[in-house]
Amino acid sequence: DAGVTQSPTHLIKTRGQQVTLRCSPISGHKSVSWYQQVLGQGPQFIFQYYEKEERGRGNFPDRFSARQFPNYSSELNVNALLLGDSALYLCASSSLAFGGETQYFGPGTRLLVL
Amino acid sequence: QQQVKQSPQSLIVQKGGISIINCAYENTAFDYFPWYQQFPGKGPALLIAIRPDVSEKKEGRSTISFNKSAKQFSLHIMDSQPGDSATYFCAAAANYNQGGKLIFGQGTELSVKP
Repeated sequence: DAGVTQSPTHLIKTRGQQVTLRCSPISGHKSVSWYQQVLGQGPQFIFQYYEKEERGRGNFPDRFSARQFPNYSSELNVNALLLGDSALYLCASSSLAFGGETQYFGPGTRLLVL
Repeated sequence: QQQVKQSPQSLIVQKGGISIINCAYENTAFDYFPWYQQFPGKGPALLIAIRPDVSEKKEGRSTISFNKSAKQFSLHIMDSQPGDSATYFCAAAANYNQGGKLIFGQGTELSVKP
């Protein structure tokens, strides 16, 4: 079975632009979470979605938004990009809505903002 | 209170030795404690996880030791191999009303020398 897939793998944008990152969860998983990993640090929680509803939001500005589609895939959007948004964006899927069960991570999308 | 503190930041171990990484937390609502392994350019992969109702869990060469009263947990990798060289993250999550988010430590870069 395919694991969590993310696209694109790499992306270069300039300050002020907008970006959309995509994630497909493991088949049968209804929960998708997004994390930001800055180089040299642990991942930071951005959003969690379950059954197309936002179930959790981390300490990120409103420039960050996400949604989940009926097939449980998800998009993360970031508007008005800043240099500090450069990071690896990770998507994780799990079978249950709330924590306590394994979250499986995708390979990430590496975003560079110039 | 939402922090997970991890140490050491980096670790060098000889092949065949024991790698030990420690984490501490404050939030007593945490009840799920996974360890993730991350290779360069890859997403984190679950190595082993524990709930606070047990004090120790072993899987293969990896063992988690959990001390609920001290709010500390540690990862031991026995017979460390060069292929274990990676960055290791501890994490914690609360089981409900938290949106399933994982709180990650800062990471430990493990290097196993042949």
